[in-house]
Amino acid sequence: QVQLKESGPGLVQPSQTLSLTCTVSGFSLTSNSVSWVRQPPGKGLEWMGAIWSGGSTDYNSALKSRLSISRDTSKSQVFLKMNSLQTEDTAIYFCTRGTPFAYWGQGTLVTVSS
Amino acid sequence: NIVMTQSPKSMSISVGDRVTMNCKASQNVGNNIAWYQQKPGQSPKLLIYYASNRYTGVPDRFTGGGYGTDFTLTINSVQAEDAAFYYCQRIYNSPWTFGGGTKLELK
Repeated sequence: QVQLKESGPGLVQPSQTLSLTCTVSGFSLTSNSVSWVRQPPGKGLEWMGAIWSGGSTDYNSALKSRLSISRDTSKSQVFLKMNSLQTEDTAIYFCTRGTPFAYWGQGTLVTVSS
Repeated sequence: NIVMTQSPKSMSISVGDRVTMNCKASQNVGNNIAWYQQKPGQSPKLLIYYASNRYTGVPDRFTGGGYGTDFTLTINSVQAEDAAFYYCQRIYNSPWTFGGGTKLELK
């Protein structure tokens, strides 16, 4: 069955770079897009960006200057890197498949704090 | 960029009532809208896609409607388990922007 699972550090210091991994199973990254979505505590959902089945990427314009999404199809993994983190980047980070988002990971909480 | 505006921000209703929540797009998005339900501590769940198509396993008390810029999610005969946040989202063409959400509380 389709599964996605996020992993990464729970705590990142301000100004540092966040690196997250989404490991997928039950589908191929060469046939499906994967997006990253985040949700600050007590707030709504924000689409961050996506990597398409062909490998090209698309980003939320508000994050584009800080964000990079890549993948390793041989490992069924999608990566998120975002630099210059600030406290307002504290959030649960989800990865999802396709559009609409019928499949979601459980999310991983990232806290930006010194 | 397209902005998705949901209203109301919150609503409190009784079990068995009918409720309608709204989502307005700042530009014409055709029928490229999805609705999600999110309960505390859980990932969002897809309810409706392409404005009016119910996703697999979603109870038929959930109905989506609208086209262009104005969309609705209606829940007929609300159940206790429907207490949650509901989000609309532009789909198909990116950016896949979410609305700010509507909180549904049960009295």
